[in-house]
Amino acid sequence: ELKVEQNPLFLSMQEGKNYTIYCNYSTTSDRLYWYRQDPGKSLESLFVLLSNGAVKQEGRLMASLDTKARLSTLHITAAVHDLSATYFCAVGRNAGNNRKLIWGLGTSLAVNP
Amino acid sequence: GAVVSQHPSRVICKSGTSVKIECRSLDFQATTMFWYRQFPKQSLMLMATSNEGSKATYEQGVEKDKFLINHASLTLSTLTVTSAHPEDSSFYICSGGTGERPTEAFFGQGTRLTVV
Repeated sequence: ELKVEQNPLFLSMQEGKNYTIYCNYSTTSDRLYWYRQDPGKSLESLFVLLSNGAVKQEGRLMASLDTKARLSTLHITAAVHDLSATYFCAVGRNAGNNRKLIWGLGTSLAVNP
Repeated sequence: GAVVSQHPSRVICKSGTSVKIECRSLDFQATTMFWYRQFPKQSLMLMATSNEGSKATYEQGVEKDKFLINHASLTLSTLTVTSAHPEDSSFYICSGGTGERPTEAFFGQGTRLTVV
């Protein structure tokens, strides 16, 4: 059974600091996603990682994937208040075009001035 | 990017009534639609997967007679919560997929359902 674990679940950090969110999954998969969710809103796609060693960056966020370790990281550089949100990783079940996703519990990030 | 339009964004209904939530794919053909529910401060829970023209596949523990899913066309899928109870109050989100972009999922805006 595919399980996805995220940590930390809650993160409070100061503006300007760096931090990393981790996403571990239990069985092989061919794709990993990072999403952002603001309170009361739907999900915003951040990154889709499809291969071992994939690294993607957008602004202050950088995501990487190590399929051998079954680990993805979301690194935050020089955090700003606007990054406060809940971040979810989701892993696709390894079944070709089957886009079913298994979700982590989310990391609630609060960036304080 | 591809857009999924979900309506209504918020709905309040009385216990015992039914509520229909619509998800329309505006600029692509959604061959598959996933329906999720999310409780406050929790992760997404997949309820069911629907493929256009066929019956939905429900996840374990989800009552198919209570949560009716219809995916009659490539651009429209609906979730009807029948005989709603207060415990059905939740945030419901749809996510559409297309074979042309198999690694991507496009989310609707979500529907906040409150049953009073």
